[in-house]
This record gives sequence, C-alpha cells and structure tokens, in this order.
Amino acid sequence: EAGVVQSPRYKIIEKKQPVAFWCNPISGHNTLYWYLQNLGQGPELLIRYENEEAVDDSQLPKDRFSAERLKGVDSTLKIQPAELGDSAVYLCASSSGAPYSNEQFFGPGTRLTVL
Amino acid sequence: DQQVKQNSPSLSVQEGRISILNCDYTNSMFDYFLWYKKYPAEGPTFLISISSIKDKNEDGRFTVFLNKSAKHLSLHIVPSQPGDSAVYFCAAIRNYGGSQGNLIFGKGTKLSVKP
Repeated sequence: EAGVVQSPRYKIIEKKQPVAFWCNPISGHNTLYWYLQNLGQGPELLIRYENEEAVDDSQLPKDRFSAERLKGVDSTLKIQPAELGDSAVYLCASSSGAPYSNEQFFGPGTRLTVL
Repeated sequence: DQQVKQNSPSLSVQEGRISILNCDYTNSMFDYFLWYKKYPAEGPTFLISISSIKDKNEDGRFTVFLNKSAKHLSLHIVPSQPGDSAVYFCAAIRNYGGSQGNLIFGKGTKLSVKP
C-alpha cells in the first residue's frame, strides 16, 4: 500500500514569491491534514479536511495561506506571498476518519526555504 | 500554553539498555495518546498508542505507560538498538463522541543509542 505522497520534497524561493505544495493521501483515507513543523518543534495543525470540506482551518493564516481539496482526494497548500518566517517543513497526513481511529499517517514533508 | 510537554530535548543510551522517554500533558480531556518516531528528512511514523482507559500497552520492544492522575506517559524501549536513534514525538488527542479531534504534539526528544 502506497503511503502519503508529497511534492516537491524541497523548495527554495525568494520572499514575496508564491509557492504551492501537493499531497496525495493514502487511498481510501477521507481525512487529510496539513501541518507546519518549525525546527525543534512538533508538528502544528494548519488545516483539516473531511473529504472535500475544510472542517478546521482555525490555525491557517488566511491572509497568505490557502488550501483546497477538490474531489476529496489530493490537496494543495499555497502561500502567496511567502515571507522569511514561512521557512519550515510542511507535512501532509491522512487518516481513515473512522470513529476512534486516531492514527495519522504522514508524508515525508516539503522543506521550504524562503530567502 | 503548551498542552503536551516533552521536557527532555535529548537522551543518550547505550545499546542494549533501556530507553525511557517522558511526556506530560495538561488537558485532562485527552483520551488517546500516541508516540511517533521521526528520522531526518522523513515524516513522523506512528509507533505505538494508548487509550486513556488503559495504563499500559506493549508492542514488541516498545511499551507505553500512562499515569492519568499524574498526567504523565512514558515510552520504554527495551533493549535499545542503534536503529532506534531518532526524534520521538508524544501526541495527544481528544475525541468528541466518536468524532476524532486534532493531534497535539510535544516538541520531541532526540534519542541517540550508542553501540
């Protein structure tokens, strides 16, 4: 069974440029998450999808971040414009969404460097 | 305010000995706890979990203990192997009547197992 796929793995951009990250969850997983991980910190939730609906985006900085999950499968996270402080690893995770199924499965992440 | 705390940023253990990683939490409503393992340049990998109705869960060399009164859990690895060297994240979740809540992560503990 294929795991969570993310691309690109690494991205270097200059500040004020736009950037997009792509995620394909494990087949059949209805719930998809985007996390931000800063150096020396644990992952922090940005947005959570149940199928194509964003059910929790309270931690997403909506002035510059946006996300979509069309058709309830793969998802894209966008930053426009990027700032120096956005340099971090962006992780995507998925879970089955079944009641009391708490395990989330993570992709390898995209390491973003903003110069 | 950090709800999940891993107060030891690093731990060094000799191969074959026991590794004990600790985690404290503040929210008494958490009802499920997970440990993730992370190698450099990879996403976190689910390791082991425990429900709040239990005080111990064992899987091979890995055992998680939960002390609800102290709001403390620990991960024991016996015997430790060099391949266990990684960053270990403690995470907690609160479920709402079968509907999954969001994972809250600690900052992680870097385990080094020396041959």
